[in-house]
Amino acid sequence: GQQVMQIPQYQHVQEGEDFTTYCNSSTTLSNIQWYKQRPGGHPVFLIQLVKSGEVKKQKRLTFQFGEAKKNSSLHITATQTTDVGTYFCAGIDGYIFGTGTRLKVLA
Amino acid sequence: DTAVSQTPKYLVTQMGNDKSIKCEQNLGHDTMYWYKQDSKKFLKIMFSYNNKELIINETVPNRFSPKSPDKAHLNLHINSLELGDSAVYFCASSQGYQGANTQYFGPGTRLTVL
Repeated sequence: GQQVMQIPQYQHVQEGEDFTTYCNSSTTLSNIQWYKQRPGGHPVFLIQLVKSGEVKKQKRLTFQFGEAKKNSSLHITATQTTDVGTYFCAGIDGYIFGTGTRLKVLA
Repeated sequence: DTAVSQTPKYLVTQMGNDKSIKCEQNLGHDTMYWYKQDSKKFLKIMFSYNNKELIINETVPNRFSPKSPDKAHLNLHINSLELGDSAVYFCASSQGYQGANTQYFGPGTRLTVL
């Protein structure tokens, strides 16, 4: 069945360092969404990408959709402690979630 | 006002018991979902309803039965609870179920089976 893998599974960074999580699908996606889940919280929608090669930015966050629409990435520039949480990509009409990347930011 | 609400927030129960989790959304959305998040944080779709009709039914034991009395509510009933059912259960809703639809999640119900 449809699988969406993310790497790395865990990432610890020093505050101020950059962070990237990668999302890979076993099949072509019509669109991809990204969600953030703070510790003890629930997933919250961040952004949606639809077009091949699309790049979108939200302040320090940059989202990219691959040319083949089978992969995506989220890059955070100069991490802050508020970036702590688990980042999920989601494909196939948004309900197949990736395995998630847990980010810890050390002050 | 909370957009997607779930009750209860915590549920501790013995193996073999039957329990229900309730979900309500006030966003006017047509589609609602139940997800299970295990201890490794994997988030897996269980069910989805669109306008009270079941549209997604993943490989879930038939001890789990969803019920949607109207499009604003989606409840989850679990029979004969097992240790492996311990997890956080999230309800979510979206405008539709096809194409690009943002999902709004409830706060989650942490189920612990002893």
